[in-house]
Amino acid sequence: EVQLVESGGGLVQPGGSLRLSCAASGFTFSTYWMSWVRQAPGKGLEWVANIKKDGSEKYYVDSAKGRFTISRDNAKNSLYLQMNSLRAEDTAVYYCAKWGAAWDYWGQGTLVTVSS
Amino acid sequence: EIVLTQSPGTLSLSPGERATLSCRASQSVSSNYLAWYQQKPGQAPRVLIYGASSRATGIPDRFSGSGSGTDFTLTISRLEPEDFAVYFCQQYGSSPWTFGQGTKVEIK
Repeated sequence: EVQLVESGGGLVQPGGSLRLSCAASGFTFSTYWMSWVRQAPGKGLEWVANIKKDGSEKYYVDSAKGRFTISRDNAKNSLYLQMNSLRAEDTAVYYCAKWGAAWDYWGQGTLVTVSS
Repeated sequence: EIVLTQSPGTLSLSPGERATLSCRASQSVSSNYLAWYQQKPGQAPRVLIYGASSRATGIPDRFSGSGSGTDFTLTISRLEPEDFAVYFCQQYGSSPWTFGQGTKVEIK
């Protein structure tokens, strides 16, 4: 059974940093692109970042460029999102998602709240 | 950036009725790389359709997707009680990948 379990969310002050993790199991992690997708409270979905199977290519939404870094450790079956210079508008539930023909598996999400 | 506009915002229907959801793109979606997701309160989204018309694994055949270019449709042929949820379209033909704002299907 495919499982994606996010962790690392919490309350952080504006300008602060946070590192999200996603532990994957039930599939061959190293053979799939992975993503982070977020959802602000009561709002729609927003793609944040993608990373290629071997980590050699990374893509970001404009609002994340220069502040967020997606990475992976295939030996640990783990995906990460390092978030720096956080803003109030980054407040959201952050989902890690596996890319098959679409995002075919999602974690339960981890809430990031940016507030003073 | 491709902007996806979903209509209607809310669809009020009864179980057993047919639901037709629209997703219109501001420019042509490359290779019809469009997906539909269902989301229920407190849950992560679930993929229903990819490539505009291919059903994802385990999705009942009452869900169907159609369309090409800039106009796409998700049809639920006969609404079951578990189908009342929010539906999002998403394009992955060009970066940045974008979502529509969602259509809520509610019980009338």
